[in-house]
Amino acid sequence: DAKTTQPPSMDCAEGRAANLPCNHSTISGNEYVYWYRQIHSQGPQYIIHGLKNNETNEMASLIITEDRKSSTLILPHATLRDTAVYYCTALGFGANNLFFGTGTRLTVIP
Amino acid sequence: DAGVIQSPRHEVTEMGQEVTLRCKPISGHNSLFWYRQTMMRGLELLIYFNNNVPIDDSGMPEDRFSAKMPNASFSTLKIQPSEPRDSAVYFCASSQQGAGETQYFGPGTRLLVL
Repeated sequence: DAKTTQPPSMDCAEGRAANLPCNHSTISGNEYVYWYRQIHSQGPQYIIHGLKNNETNEMASLIITEDRKSSTLILPHATLRDTAVYYCTALGFGANNLFFGTGTRLTVIP
Repeated sequence: DAGVIQSPRHEVTEMGQEVTLRCKPISGHNSLFWYRQTMMRGLELLIYFNNNVPIDDSGMPEDRFSAKMPNASFSTLKIQPSEPRDSAVYFCASSQQGAGETQYFGPGTRLLVL
């Protein structure tokens, strides 16, 4: 199973870039790296995903290392509304790959 | 699109009672997932359906938990009998096709078993 590990918490100053790391050293070749976030007690919300190339969308950028064993989610200009729990997961074609864990609690400080 | 719909949003029950949680996935999505979230264990997958068929139920805690998907637009998660340790937020999610695609989560059902 491709489990992921993330730091339990991080702080970031408002307006600065937030860089959230994730280790997925057991990821297999057909598994995508997905990032979700959960604000308060709402359902998790999709942010971005990638296989081996770096990706960018309107919400964030995803940097995946060449060996695919780790990745970093970048929120380029964090706002107070980005305060949330961020989950990194590796999703493949089988449900035994599904693992969200406890994520990283990001607090954006004014 | 209305997104994934879950009901009830909140449920308070007494130990030993039967609890039924309901989920309506996004129309056209072929895969449905049930998750449980607690402070201690985070977000855990309970069961995963593809085309209404259970694919992986290895996350279901014990025989007290059961899940069904009688058609493409409806699923239930039942706990019988309920216990205080079942208190958690239960999320349903759906994806277009399979576990390797983007999942869209519902708002969750907050369950409290007294």
